[in-house]
Amino acid sequence: AQSVAQPEDQVNVAEGNPLTVKCTYSVSGNPYLFWYVQYPNRGLQFLLKYITGDNLVKGSYGFEAEFNKSQTSFHLKKPSALVSDSALYFCAVRPLYGGSQGNLIFGKGTKLSVKP
Amino acid sequence: EAQVTQNPRYLITVTGKKLTVTCSQNMNHEYMSWYRQDPGLGLRQIYYSMNVEVTDKGDVPEGYKVSRKEKRNFPLILESPSPNQTSLYFCASRSSGRSYEQYFGPGTRLTVT
Repeated sequence: AQSVAQPEDQVNVAEGNPLTVKCTYSVSGNPYLFWYVQYPNRGLQFLLKYITGDNLVKGSYGFEAEFNKSQTSFHLKKPSALVSDSALYFCAVRPLYGGSQGNLIFGKGTKLSVKP
Repeated sequence: EAQVTQNPRYLITVTGKKLTVTCSQNMNHEYMSWYRQDPGLGLRQIYYSMNVEVTDKGDVPEGYKVSRKEKRNFPLILESPSPNQTSLYFCASRSSGRSYEQYFGPGTRLTVT
């Protein structure tokens, strides 16, 4: 079955330190991968995506993600965390087969907490 | 401003009382969908629509109905709500292009007692 896993429910980071939020996927073929962020009482906002090309993708708010095909991972990273980065982060993959065409399968989310 | 709007944002209702959550987008998107978000389960798709008058079930469609009579609107209908439908609901839309980037509404928090 096609799926997305976010192995950490919560990630705690000190402000100014680098952060990584992990995501692994299981899909057939070449995946389309996404990261979304959800701030409290808000809808999800698109951060970045990988469809093809360079394995390192840059997105909004200084975030980037690295696609690693051999490890089937798409970890979200930021060199220097801000308190305002504290939010819920979702990894998502577009399934190529089954389900609703063009839909995204979401991970369960990782809560990022950045302390001053 | 490009956006997806949902109404109401908060709703408390009783079991069995029919309700509708509206969703509207101003981006002329073909594709719209409804998700529910529950702790520890992430987002799960309820229904989606590829275009006007074209709708289909997502992963958790039981107890829900939708319609797509106009391109911009995609209401979610709960004919007889039950407590297990207490959740946070999101509407989303995207264009039919290959970007697959979805735009989400602000969410509707529904409580069924």
